[in-house]
Amino acid sequence: QKEVEQDPGPLSVPEGAIVSLNCTYSNSAFQYFMWYRQYSRKGPELLMYTYSSGNKEDGRFTAQVDKSSKYISLFIRDSQPSDSATYLCASQRASKIIFGSGTRLSIRP
Amino acid sequence: GAGVSQSPRYKVAKRGQDVALRCDPISGHVSLFWYQQALGQGPEFLTYFQNEAQLDKSGLPSDRFFAERPEGSVSTLKIQRTQQEDSAVYLCASSSRTEETQYFGPGTRLLVL
Repeated sequence: QKEVEQDPGPLSVPEGAIVSLNCTYSNSAFQYFMWYRQYSRKGPELLMYTYSSGNKEDGRFTAQVDKSSKYISLFIRDSQPSDSATYLCASQRASKIIFGSGTRLSIRP
Repeated sequence: GAGVSQSPRYKVAKRGQDVALRCDPISGHVSLFWYQQALGQGPEFLTYFQNEAQLDKSGLPSDRFFAERPEGSVSTLKIQRTQQEDSAVYLCASSSRTEETQYFGPGTRLLVL
């Protein structure tokens, strides 16, 4: 079993829709949770970072962590074609980032 | 300022060849990380340096993989006697300190035929 599990998609939604991306994790010691965005042929870039449980909002993006159920979510409001990318959830243990497999998202104009 | 750069961007190797992949981290970043990303998967940790010291190499898949950072800046990941299963994107990341945000380069796409 992978430590961070993520539905690979692909997910295709119309422009303006609300997108929900989800992950689960197995290691209850994880404290830091991240979402990375990766465009084709580029490296991942950090989108959101949360510590422990709770919500964090940044513009159109909201990250949510529920440690009781080991569930991580990313919501994108008013989705745009430029949001089309692969989204990777992740946690960190010491020096290592442990990534999910990524969800490929496509926003249709 | 300049981000993390990697070279070459693409590398085709015949099975059994040795390859060397280079990473130039962000200037002044102490920590440097290598990850391997197979097609359709998330990146997987390979190894980590703090300055010139390799502090964790637990993710290196075999003794054919070797990484170095002799002067604490540029790093090279070397793969000896490449195999087809080594085909992947190799990502380098750097951070100002170990548990700070890691900034990723664009990766080197390795194809072993």
